[in-house]
Amino acid sequence: AQSVTQLDSQVPVFEEAPVELRCNYSSSVSVYLFWYVQYPNQGLQLLLKYLSGSTLVKGINGFEAEFNKSQTSFHLRKPSVHISDTAEYFCAVSTGFQKLVFGTGTRLLVSP
Amino acid sequence: DVKVTQSSRYLVKRTGEKVFLECVQDMDHENMFWYRQDPGLGLRLIYFSYDVKMKEKGDIPEGYSVSREKKERFSLILESASTNQTSMYLCASSGHGYTEAFFGQGTRLTVV
Repeated sequence: AQSVTQLDSQVPVFEEAPVELRCNYSSSVSVYLFWYVQYPNQGLQLLLKYLSGSTLVKGINGFEAEFNKSQTSFHLRKPSVHISDTAEYFCAVSTGFQKLVFGTGTRLLVSP
Repeated sequence: DVKVTQSSRYLVKRTGEKVFLECVQDMDHENMFWYRQDPGLGLRLIYFSYDVKMKEKGDIPEGYSVSREKKERFSLILESASTNQTSMYLCASSGHGYTEAFFGQGTRLTVV
């Protein structure tokens, strides 16, 4: 079975600073990897996904993530955050057989 | 624009009531899911369906049932609501060959 670990429950950062949200996964087979963002009182929106090919994936709102198979990681990065990036971020993994397994989420708090 | 619509954003129900949460998608997706979201626990899968009238238990099915009579509609049923079912409920759908899930806005259910 797959599992996802997001070690940081909360990440505070100042506006215009870089940020990295960490995600590690566990799976015995090949995986698809996703990052979703959830703004307050809303559903989840896809930020980016890794299915195959280039290990550096670019998403919406200036975010990117790098798939590292040897370290079983899929960390999310942004070089300069904005106040509007304040949200909860979820990493998820799938083997392609229908369902996603989510991490517990990381709350990104951007302050001026 | 793709759309997953949940019938209610907020619901307040009494202990012991039978509760129906409705979800409709307009993307002709085969797969539909119900997740429960609680602080610190991330998203946990309750049930999913990969075809009309088909259903599979997720990680936390106890106290819930589901119905999928039509491809576009997936209902979550709380047979006898309890206070520990107070939570945010998220519906999602995905297509054949599964690459990503699309989410509804969520229903925040309070059981008193």
